[in-house]
Amino acid sequence: GAVVSQHPSRVICKSGTSVKIECRSLDFQATTMFWYRQFPKQSLMLMATSNEGSKATYEQGVEKDKFLINHASLTLSTLTVTSAHPEDSSFYICSASPHGAEAFFGQGTRLTVV
Amino acid sequence: DAKTTQPNSMESNEEEPVHLPCNHSTISGTDYIHWYRQLPSQGPEYVIHGLTSNVNNRMASLAIAEDRKSSTLILHRATLRDAAVYYCILRDLRSYGGSQGNLIFGKGTKLSVKP
Repeated sequence: GAVVSQHPSRVICKSGTSVKIECRSLDFQATTMFWYRQFPKQSLMLMATSNEGSKATYEQGVEKDKFLINHASLTLSTLTVTSAHPEDSSFYICSASPHGAEAFFGQGTRLTVV
Repeated sequence: DAKTTQPNSMESNEEEPVHLPCNHSTISGTDYIHWYRQLPSQGPEYVIHGLTSNVNNRMASLAIAEDRKSSTLILHRATLRDAAVYYCILRDLRSYGGSQGNLIFGKGTKLSVKP
């Protein structure tokens, strides 16, 4: 199956700093990628839709100035958490669908803000 | 996408079959039934999907009721590695591959497998 790779898998940062998370499609091109967030013992919630060459679409309640998304190529989307605070600590996951029916997910990034 | 209902948790013994139910009474004609699972501290992975007929693959089988208002994911022989949260998700065929192609996750069923 197709591979979606996320990096880093785990990051700890200080409050007020910014963190960048990369999501790469390794063996296919993805014009659209999705970013999800998952808090402990909860389900995945869609944060935003990343579109290659255009602005991302954010879900209601997600601050676009805080969660910057860049999808500059057909194989890479990045999520930058700016001015991170402890409440931003979460598991961030990206996904893409090369063929349409089946979605492939990255391994996730565990962000801890201290 | 229409809503699904799953039990919060289920237990199974290793090497025994597991039947994970999902109710989707408001399913529409263009909704496919998808199953994903999420192992601890990992991103979800695709398990299987179907429309009307039962489906089999190397991971599992999907049994779909004749009226399509419910389905069952069948793991034929559970292993410890199958302990995960299983999500039953409806996806409209028309959303495949496009900007509406995200998945809407419910709470899923947490499957525990006892040795």
